[in-house]
Amino acid sequence: QKEVEQNSGPLSVPEGAIASLNCTYSDRGSQSFFWYRQYSGKSPELIMFIYSNGDKEDGRFTAQLNKASQYVSLLIRDSQPSDSATYLCAVNCISNFGNEKLTFGTGTRLTIIP
Amino acid sequence: KAGVTQTPRYLIKTRGQQVTLSCSPISGHRSVSWYQQTPGQGLQFLFEYFSETQRNKGNFPGRFSGRQFSNSRSEMNVSTLELGDSALYLCASSPPGLEGVALHFGNGTRLTVT
Repeated sequence: QKEVEQNSGPLSVPEGAIASLNCTYSDRGSQSFFWYRQYSGKSPELIMFIYSNGDKEDGRFTAQLNKASQYVSLLIRDSQPSDSATYLCAVNCISNFGNEKLTFGTGTRLTIIP
Repeated sequence: KAGVTQTPRYLIKTRGQQVTLSCSPISGHRSVSWYQQTPGQGLQFLFEYFSETQRNKGNFPGRFSGRQFSNSRSEMNVSTLELGDSALYLCASSPPGLEGVALHFGNGTRLTVT
């Protein structure tokens, strides 16, 4: 079983609608959850992260955690064509070294249709 | 503030050769992580260095090694190259308090092994 799973998509959403991206994780001990955005041909960039104690809203983006079901969501309100990208979910876990490290999902490709 | 700088951007090597990739982190960032990105496997964690010490290591063979210098710059070495090592290699630095998880990626080095 993969540690972090995402639907690869593509997910197509009309401009102005809400895009909902999800990922599931297997490590119940994970305490922080990250969303990265990667435009085609570019490197990933961090857009937001949350801790296990609560959801977070930042502008048009909201990250939500469901600990019981072990999944994380990213909602993008008022979707814009510039939001078209691959969204990578990443979850921290404690490595064999005793330090935090990230495990990435394979990403969901999001396309906003004008 | 300058971003993460990786050199070179592109490399073409032959099987059996070795290669060294370089990464300069954002000023003030002491944690440097390396990732391999391929279409099939996504982002795979190689290792992380902090204050010249390897802080975390992924599940790659010993042919992959790295080091970090006192100025936080890092290098990654791959010996005895195999065709399967063809990938985008991404370096990322992290700010204090979020070492190894809040990643600021460089533009990557595209390695092609023939």
